[in-house]
Amino acid sequence: GAVVSQHPSRVICKSGTSVKIECRSLDFQATTMFWYRQFPKQSLMLMATSNEGSKATYEQGVEKDKFLINHASLTLSTLTVTSAHPEDSSFYICSARKDRANEQYFGPGTRLTVT
Amino acid sequence: QQQVKQSPQSLIVQKGGIPIINCAYENTAFDYFPWYQQFPGKGPALLIAIRPDVSEKKEGRFTISFNKSAKQFSLHIMDSQPGDSATYFCAANQAGTALIFGKGTTLSVSS
Repeated sequence: GAVVSQHPSRVICKSGTSVKIECRSLDFQATTMFWYRQFPKQSLMLMATSNEGSKATYEQGVEKDKFLINHASLTLSTLTVTSAHPEDSSFYICSARKDRANEQYFGPGTRLTVT
Repeated sequence: QQQVKQSPQSLIVQKGGIPIINCAYENTAFDYFPWYQQFPGKGPALLIAIRPDVSEKKEGRFTISFNKSAKQFSLHIMDSQPGDSATYFCAANQAGTALIFGKGTTLSVSS
């Protein structure tokens, strides 16, 4: 149990376009979902926390107008990278949590390449 | 973000060896300490986790040692295999908050 999926697994887009990444909890209801970003050979950096039905909370230094997060249901959160630029190229990983537990279940990640 | 400091950055051991990865934390409110394994291009996978009411936990070849007074915890991999070659991350949080990750340790197990 506690499976999280992400779609797409990889995406290539042109500079200036927007890209949407979906994160789904497949077998549980996720009251909270998290979005992390990982550059090559680096750790996971928390970008934002989203609770179902409310606005996401962004970490310091993360542009909320650039990284739009929507958590419309207990099984789906989306991250939209708006007006993407090459520096946004990264590995984006979501995770989901049940209630206020400690455990987070991670998705397989989405590789974004902006050309 | 509260920090979780991880060392070493990289580690090379021979097959059968016992690599040890260490982490230290600052926030005494943390009450959950997991270790994740990540292969290139994949998401992190939970290996084992411990809570501060125990000093050691074993699952298969993986053992966590926890020292609450020193605010440190470590991962030991017994009888390491080439298939264990991956990046390992420690993390910590308190219930209701996001996991904070260490910087990671790249482990290479030679055959």
